[in-house]
Amino acid sequence: QVQLQESGPGLVKPSETLSLTCNISGHSVNTGYYWGWIRQTPGKGLEFFGSVYHTGSSVYKPSLKSRTTISLDTSKTQVSLRLTSVTAADTAIYYCVGGNPPDAFHLWGRGTLVTVSS
Amino acid sequence: QSVLTQPPSVSGAPGQRVTISCTGSSSNIGAGYDVHWYQQLPGTAPKILIYGNINRPSGVPDRFSGSKSGTSASLAITGLQAEDEADYFCQSFDSSLSVIFGGGTKLTVL
Repeated sequence: QVQLQESGPGLVKPSETLSLTCNISGHSVNTGYYWGWIRQTPGKGLEFFGSVYHTGSSVYKPSLKSRTTISLDTSKTQVSLRLTSVTAADTAIYYCVGGNPPDAFHLWGRGTLVTVSS
Repeated sequence: QSVLTQPPSVSGAPGQRVTISCTGSSSNIGAGYDVHWYQQLPGTAPKILIYGNINRPSGVPDRFSGSKSGTSASLAITGLQAEDEADYFCQSFDSSLSVIFGGGTKLTVL
């Protein structure tokens, strides 16, 4: 059974960097899917950050790209997210996802809530 | 303001048929990009419901169906059941904005 498990601090201070990790189990990270992140806020709904493939190919949301780094560690079967210079607007549930953009995201983690507050 | 427009809410009685629309533009749905639909039950992550406009993953009942025409797409649910009460999101791709989502539609089963 495929499982995606997000982890990371639940509270980040404004202007700091948000860092999350997703452990991927039950599916090879070297085939089939791009791995990435989507967040959900009450006000803005679902928002795609980006996804990376094991070959290094990637897809990012242009407006977030300057603040976003997504990395895939195939040896650890982990995908990570770094979001710099966070503000309260970055408070959201962050989901780890597997899919092939522009196709659907077939795999989702349970999500982790990150609050940006001093 | 989401790039894809969905009605905030729809409702129907058990057994009825409801549809949820997803309206885009010539740079996304109208450009030929596929539309996908997700179901989000309360307190859970979204789950793929329809992919590639019309395809159901294994395990999704055939009460759920998708369609696409021009710059819009629709999700239809027939034989409405109480367990269908959830939020539904559409997703596509935009040539300028990358992956995009609708704002979501809350389905209430009366």
